[in-house]
Amino acid sequence: ETGVTQSPTHLIKTRGQQVTLRCSSQSGHNTVSWYQQALGQGPQFIFQYYREEENGRGNFPPRFSGLQFPNYSSELNVNALELDDSALYLCASSSGANAGGRSDTQYFGPGTRLTVL
Amino acid sequence: GENVEQHPSTLSVQEGDSAVIKCTYSDSASNYFPWYKQELGKRPQLIIDIRSNVGEKKDQRIAVTLNKTAKHFSLHITETQPEDSAVYFCAAGDYGQNFVFGPGTRLSVLP
Repeated sequence: ETGVTQSPTHLIKTRGQQVTLRCSSQSGHNTVSWYQQALGQGPQFIFQYYREEENGRGNFPPRFSGLQFPNYSSELNVNALELDDSALYLCASSSGANAGGRSDTQYFGPGTRLTVL
Repeated sequence: GENVEQHPSTLSVQEGDSAVIKCTYSDSASNYFPWYKQELGKRPQLIIDIRSNVGEKKDQRIAVTLNKTAKHFSLHITETQPEDSAVYFCAAGDYGQNFVFGPGTRLSVLP
């Protein structure tokens, strides 16, 4: 198992609510990426944080936002939840290879399963 | 942007046989190609990866080949075992800055 942890493991919310998911990166890693995995599909890239700055974003609306803290842990916030936001949310940590934050090997956490009713 | 296709979507093999999963990608700038295995209810686990300056990489029963000209890469599992049964995902990207995953292949190894 990797050293990446996520909380909570499961969450149930209603449409329109807001949610915060948390991720602790593996020791020595300074880069965290967030993915959304709908049932039966591959993970979809949401965004990446490197040294507390957003370092790339996928095709997700602005109501998906994030933070990275000085200890490199990270949060994913989703506002105005929609039914389609129901999914497994995965974070992955890696070590930034250079100042651009480009890194390769990503290690996933166990995920948070979000259900929006 | 990058687009990754993966085939087949499901694959059944007899224990001991080989399994091959193929992926194609669209963005010639992609230079890193990992493969992940995901068992039911668990996190994706990296099983092997390859960089664009390498054509083939092996790790025991698992191998990956990359053809940059044709923009395709493949996962080969030899001597399959029941514990190899899982969903396998390929991905392509620029050193992790923005990975695009394929839709996955459900591999079943029949005893």
